[in-house]
Amino acid sequence: AQSVTQLDSHVSVSEGTPVLLRCNYSSSYSPSLFWYVQHPNKGLQLLLKYTSAATLVKGINGFEAEFKKSETSFHLTKPSAHMSDAAEYFCVVTLLGGSYIPTFGRGTSLIVHP
Amino acid sequence: ETGVTQSPTHLIKTRGQQVTLRCSSQSGHNTVSWYQQALGQGPQFIFQYYREEENGRGNFPPRFSGLQFPNYSSELNVNALELDDSALYLCASSPQTSETREFFGPGTRLTVL
Repeated sequence: AQSVTQLDSHVSVSEGTPVLLRCNYSSSYSPSLFWYVQHPNKGLQLLLKYTSAATLVKGINGFEAEFKKSETSFHLTKPSAHMSDAAEYFCVVTLLGGSYIPTFGRGTSLIVHP
Repeated sequence: ETGVTQSPTHLIKTRGQQVTLRCSSQSGHNTVSWYQQALGQGPQFIFQYYREEENGRGNFPPRFSGLQFPNYSSELNVNALELDDSALYLCASSPQTSETREFFGPGTRLTVL
């Protein structure tokens, strides 16, 4: 069984300040973890993924995430927010090498103030 | 390179009816997944098709069924529509199964009255 919890439904930051979107997961086996972004009226886009290689994963648009097994976390960060980062972000867990049954979190809405 | 396309973009049905949604996968992709995204929620995995066979299924009743065709396009069929089936239905394709990245289409907005 697997589950994912996005700890904040909304995160509000000012442009130029750091972004932290939190994700905790639960998985019986080694997980694969993903972050997707969904802009209004656009399709989901992959930001980054973890599949048992380096624990610090770098993605597109300056985002990165760190896999911490001891904390069962996969938080998404960015050093400096841009207005264009305002969107809905989803953390996803699935089994590494197992049947592909992904579980999405409920999403975190990132609001960026000028 | 053409991305994932879905049709129709919007659809209105009444309770008890049947609906078919269509998805064309990205060129070179042999795997298609379908998701249901209710308003304000994250997508929920319905099922995945790989080379015309169902490869994994989420917690959805049998009235949700699918097909994948030899050209790797896919259909999602929902019978006996219920009000709670109102959602955005997303299709995603990938070049292989398992934990590879998926490319998502823009979705079909289904409203059940």
